[in-house]
Amino acid sequence: QQQVKQSPQSLIVQKGGIPIINCAYENTAFDYFPWYQQFPGKGPALLIAIRPDVSEKKEGRFTISFNKSAKQFSLHIMDSQPGDSATYFCAASRQGAQKLVFGQGTRLTINP
Amino acid sequence: GAVVSQHPSWVICKSGTSVKIECRSLDFQATTMFWYRQFPKQSLMLMATSNEGSKATYEQGVEKDKFLINHASLTLSTLTVTSAHPEDSSFYICSASFVQGLYEQYFGPGTRLTVT
Repeated sequence: QQQVKQSPQSLIVQKGGIPIINCAYENTAFDYFPWYQQFPGKGPALLIAIRPDVSEKKEGRFTISFNKSAKQFSLHIMDSQPGDSATYFCAASRQGAQKLVFGQGTRLTINP
Repeated sequence: GAVVSQHPSWVICKSGTSVKIECRSLDFQATTMFWYRQFPKQSLMLMATSNEGSKATYEQGVEKDKFLINHASLTLSTLTVTSAHPEDSSFYICSASFVQGLYEQYFGPGTRLTVT
């Protein structure tokens, strides 16, 4: 019940395309859903996060879509660039616990 | 703002020795710090959570006597890997959060540990 399942494991998209990464969770107590971007040999960096009171959040080229009833959320990257090539992790946590439960990660490659 | 640093960025040590990794919040006071371990091409695995001045809370399966965590101040936490073995070789990442930042965790750049 504490798991967050992320798919796909890897994704290759042409420059300008819109990669979509999906995550699903079971624990309905989760109320914070961040996405992290990690480059090789570096720590993760927070990209964007959403709480379940909204169905969508956009920051720059990154958009989170959230479906509370389906217990799913996804990351969309608009106008993707080769510099977006990285590993992306979704995560979830519940109020007060602070502990993040991470998805398995998606290795994204944007071809020029 | 909300910058977290780690030192060293990489370290090589001999089997049986101990190594200490520092995690510092540079521009905020961290009420909680977290230590993660990441194997190549895998996700982050939470090892322990520490609050300033309190004993760390370790995740199931993490040996507290092997991975000593000290959170002595609101800006510094240390992870000491004692009697290191080659299987302890990994990428160790810390993160920190603060009350005003709600749930957000700010991650350090990671420390690559190689035990020979």
